[in-house]
Amino acid sequence: DAGVTQSPTHLIKTRGQQVTLRCSPKSGHDTVSWYQQALGQGPQFIFQYYEEEERQRGNFPDRFSGHQFPNYSSELNVNALLLGDSALYLCASSTLRGPSYEQYFGPGTRLTVT
Amino acid sequence: KNEVEQSPQNLTAQEGEFITINCSYSVGISALHWLQQHPGGGIVSLFMLSSGKKKHGRLIATINIQEKHSSLHITASHPRDSAVYICAVGGSQGNLIFGKGTKLSVKP
Repeated sequence: DAGVTQSPTHLIKTRGQQVTLRCSPKSGHDTVSWYQQALGQGPQFIFQYYEEEERQRGNFPDRFSGHQFPNYSSELNVNALLLGDSALYLCASSTLRGPSYEQYFGPGTRLTVT
Repeated sequence: KNEVEQSPQNLTAQEGEFITINCSYSVGISALHWLQQHPGGGIVSLFMLSSGKKKHGRLIATINIQEKHSSLHITASHPRDSAVYICAVGGSQGNLIFGKGTKLSVKP
């Protein structure tokens, strides 16, 4: 079991550009959550995908969008990048079919916007 | 005021010391998580608990639902325990609300 995987590991973009980050959930998981972690802060919830739909969303602008594919993998897209979007982006997978919401985290993608 | 507060923010200990990290929250939760984050970013789930106490090796986590408080204890601390420890609470919809983390440094 490969666990949760994310790609790329690191990414450098320029202000105004668009970026796509990818996440593959742990085997058996059907739910993917995305979090943004700024330097020195705890992660902040962006949104959660289940059954290819956005199930819940945190306080992030529409520039942040996502997608979930039939194989449960997910993408996070950020448009019109700002310097403040520089952060570690974490993906976590879980299943809503079980009795608990234990989430397994990927290694993260570190995005730097210059 | 943050919904999840951790203390202390930074903690330095000598190898072998008993360590306690505290977490208080102000929202209703279905579960509380203790997570470990090493430099580089990867997060590992240590515990998920909704009542009582859990133990795994040298780590012990407790929660008091009435007082909305949880503690993470590390017995016989070791330099490899150095990391950021994060408390997160889970709502009924599955999203997590995180504390800012406690940076632990254990000196040999």
